[in-house]
Amino acid sequence: GAVVSQHPSRVICKSGTSVKIECRSLDFQATTMFWYRQFPKQSLMLMATSNEGSKATYEQGVEKDKFLINHASLTLSTLTVTSAHPEDSSFYICSALENRGTQPQHFGDGTRLSIL
Amino acid sequence: AQTVTQSQPEMSVQEAETVTLSCTYDTSESDYYLFWYKQPPSRQMILVIRQEAYKQQNATENRFSVNFQKAAKSFSLKISDSQLGDAAMYFCAYRGNRDDKIIFGKGTRLHILP
Repeated sequence: GAVVSQHPSRVICKSGTSVKIECRSLDFQATTMFWYRQFPKQSLMLMATSNEGSKATYEQGVEKDKFLINHASLTLSTLTVTSAHPEDSSFYICSALENRGTQPQHFGDGTRLSIL
Repeated sequence: AQTVTQSQPEMSVQEAETVTLSCTYDTSESDYYLFWYKQPPSRQMILVIRQEAYKQQNATENRFSVNFQKAAKSFSLKISDSQLGDAAMYFCAYRGNRDDKIIFGKGTRLHILP
């Protein structure tokens, strides 16, 4: 089945650091990738949608300059949390869509980000 | 705007019994897709079952089945012969046909009692 690799799985860093999270589709080309944020005991909140070679579409309330998304190829999207602060601590999950229609999104295993 | 509502924050079921998780949604679209995802403590998102709105037949995957009522905009998940490994957070999700964004409900935490 389709596999999405997300790296790193866990990050602990100091306030003010920028953190990059990678999302790769390993055995398929992803036309679209999505980035979600999940707070403890809550649902997944869509942050942005990225398409290869074009600018990401951010959801309302998500700071574009804070959460930089680059979709450089059909198999790789990156999320960079710039100048991270403790309130950015959360669980970030990416997903990738191979084709539209009935194909479901394939999720990465998530990244737990802790900002000290 | 589309919304997905899961009215049961938590549910418990005895092992080997059957449990039904509720989900309702709101949309003005006629063509869309519905999903149930399972998120165990590992926090990995696992697709349980999916339903195309144009199909009248309810989807079934082994012990998991749905009751899709399009007119009522209801999409419940039935888990038969519950197993300890079914304990997880279950999210109902909607995806319209105009874009590929998935809208998730708030989730139902399912406990399996031995």
